[in-house]
Amino acid sequence: GAGVSQSPRYKVAKRGQDVALRCDPISGHVSLFWYQQALGQGPEFLTYFQNEAQLDKSGLPSDRFFAERPEGSVSTLKIQRTQQEDSAVYLCASTESGTYNEQFFGPGTRLTVL
Amino acid sequence: AQSVTQLDSHVSVSEGTPVLLRCNYSSSYSPSLFWYVQHPNKGLQLLLKYTSAATLVKGINGFEAEFKKSETSFHLTKPSAHMSDAAEYFCVVRLNSGGYQKVTFGTGTKLQVIP
Repeated sequence: GAGVSQSPRYKVAKRGQDVALRCDPISGHVSLFWYQQALGQGPEFLTYFQNEAQLDKSGLPSDRFFAERPEGSVSTLKIQRTQQEDSAVYLCASTESGTYNEQFFGPGTRLTVL
Repeated sequence: AQSVTQLDSHVSVSEGTPVLLRCNYSSSYSPSLFWYVQHPNKGLQLLLKYTSAATLVKGINGFEAEFKKSETSFHLTKPSAHMSDAAEYFCVVRLNSGGYQKVTFGTGTKLQVIP
């Protein structure tokens, strides 16, 4: 079956540009997470959805970051006016509801801001 | 509040010798604990998870971990390292509190396996 997919896999943006990163979770998975992984670091939590509700966005680093999941499936992470410090791999994970259920991770989108 | 500490950023072992990757956590409530592996240019893959059913958890590829509440530890072990085990390993704490999920990753341990 299909896993979590993310697009684009690679994105190069000029400083100041807006970008949109897409995540297609596994069909039927209730929860969806976004993480930011800087080079040589562990993933850092950004935000979390349960169905279409954004339950926690405490990890978003600034108001330039915005995420949505309007129909409870596909999610988009948008970064406005990108800065060099936004360069990282952005990971999406989905899971069935329940704390013990495995998070299935997508391959990530590598964002490079020049 | 919760946190995860992976005590070693790099571990180097010879092929065929035991592996020990250390993880300590703190959490206000009983968390669930996971170990993930990330091979270069590959996605994160679940190795094993602690779900409170048993303190010794067996995972894939011969890895296992023991949950020790008194020591707040969840160390990952393998009796005999293989070259294919060279990767980065992440310890993860996950807490479900009032329907909200909090997930915290450790900073990772890079495992080098020497032939």
